Amino acid sequence: GNSVTQMEGPVTLSEEAFLTINCTYTATGYPSLFWYVQYPGEGLQLLLKATKADDKGSNKGFEATYRKETTSFHLEKGSVQVSDSAVYFCALRGGADGLTFGKGTHLIIQP
Amino acid sequence: DGGITQSPKYLFRKEGQNVTLSCEQNLNHDAMYWYRQDPGQGLRLIYYSQIVNDFQKGDIAEGYSVSREKKESFPLTVTSAQKNPTAFYLCASSIQEGARTEAFFGQGTRLTVV
Repeated sequence: GNSVTQMEGPVTLSEEAFLTINCTYTATGYPSLFWYVQYPGEGLQLLLKATKADDKGSNKGFEATYRKETTSFHLEKGSVQVSDSAVYFCALRGGADGLTFGKGTHLIIQP
Repeated sequence: DGGITQSPKYLFRKEGQNVTLSCEQNLNHDAMYWYRQDPGQGLRLIYYSQIVNDFQKGDIAEGYSVSREKKESFPLTVTSAQKNPTAFYLCASSIQEGARTEAFFGQGTRLTVV
């Protein structure tokens, strides 16, 4: 079956640091890949997505590139802010039966 | 504004009670989903529905039931058979065609057993 593995947290960085959150996946066929963000006590918001190999998703300074050869979709941001503190989920969807999520990475940005 | 509305935001259940969580969407989406979130576990799929009057079990359906009588609504009942129901429950929806599209989420319901 499908699975997503992402780095465990918490990840603690200083403001303006460079961010990478690793995500690798196992899936049959050609899934779509997503990053979602969850702020405390809220639901999930779509941050970015990519639907085919070599696509780059980007939003709010975050980027991730769909790498089929390494089955990866790492999330990056060049300069993080305190407001980026949240839980980030990598997810994939290979069909009509819903998304498969990683366990989430708790990101803490210190001023 | 289009979106997904879950209610209530907080819900308390006594031992042995059934409770129903509401999920309504006005996005005209065909597919709807229920997920359970526990600390350190990520999100796990409980049930999903691709069309009215049809639904399928997800990975952790035991102790839960759903109905899909209207396209806009997908309520989840947590029955007394669910032994550990305390969790954060998230409802989501997506368009059906182009099945690899993203899902949109509600704000969640936090259920606590008292």
